[in-house]
Amino acid sequence: KAGVTQTPRYLIKTRGQQVTLSCSPISGHRSVSWYQQTPGQGLQFLFEYFSETQRNKGNFPGRFSGRQFSNSRSEMNVSTLELGDSALYLCASSLSIDSETYYEQYFGPGTRLTVT
Amino acid sequence: DAKTTQPPSMDCAEGRAANLPCNHSTISGNEYVYWYRQIHSQGPQYIIHGLKNNETNEMASLIITEDRKSSTLILPHATLRDTAVYYCIVSRASGTYKYIFGTGTRLKVLA
Repeated sequence: KAGVTQTPRYLIKTRGQQVTLSCSPISGHRSVSWYQQTPGQGLQFLFEYFSETQRNKGNFPGRFSGRQFSNSRSEMNVSTLELGDSALYLCASSLSIDSETYYEQYFGPGTRLTVT
Repeated sequence: DAKTTQPPSMDCAEGRAANLPCNHSTISGNEYVYWYRQIHSQGPQYIIHGLKNNETNEMASLIITEDRKSSTLILPHATLRDTAVYYCIVSRASGTYKYIFGTGTRLKVLA
């Protein structure tokens, strides 16, 4: 079974631009979470989607948004990029039969975003 | 803030058991302990999780104390490929998947 895939793997953007990152979860997984990893702040939770609905959100500004499609694929968008948004963005998926059943998360390789 | 405390770094000789401790003194009754590891610049890799009983899989063993306030991840025969940052996470047994990562333990396996 294929793992979590993320595209693109590397991205360079200019301050003020916007960016969209994509995540394809493991087949059958309905929950997708996003994390940001920086050297200074470590791994931080952005948001989680289940069945196209955002179930939880971390403490990030509104410039960070996401969505999930009916096939469970997810995208996250960052508008008006700042230098501090340079980070590794990780997507994780989980087999979640319903909103109450819990399974471990599996992470993708990440998208390395550099903002200049 | 992370709900777990781990030593920042540890060394282990190749072939020996690596025992990585984690404190989670404020753990709630419905929270599991999860362990992940991250090899440089890759996505975190799931290792094992448990609620209150000891658990073992092909990668590692997880020992949780009776009061559930701490746990130990055991890699029985560490190899150079086990060099990574290991994260201990406490998370709800149901509902949303909001992992709060701490700083983890940087394990270095020495030849």
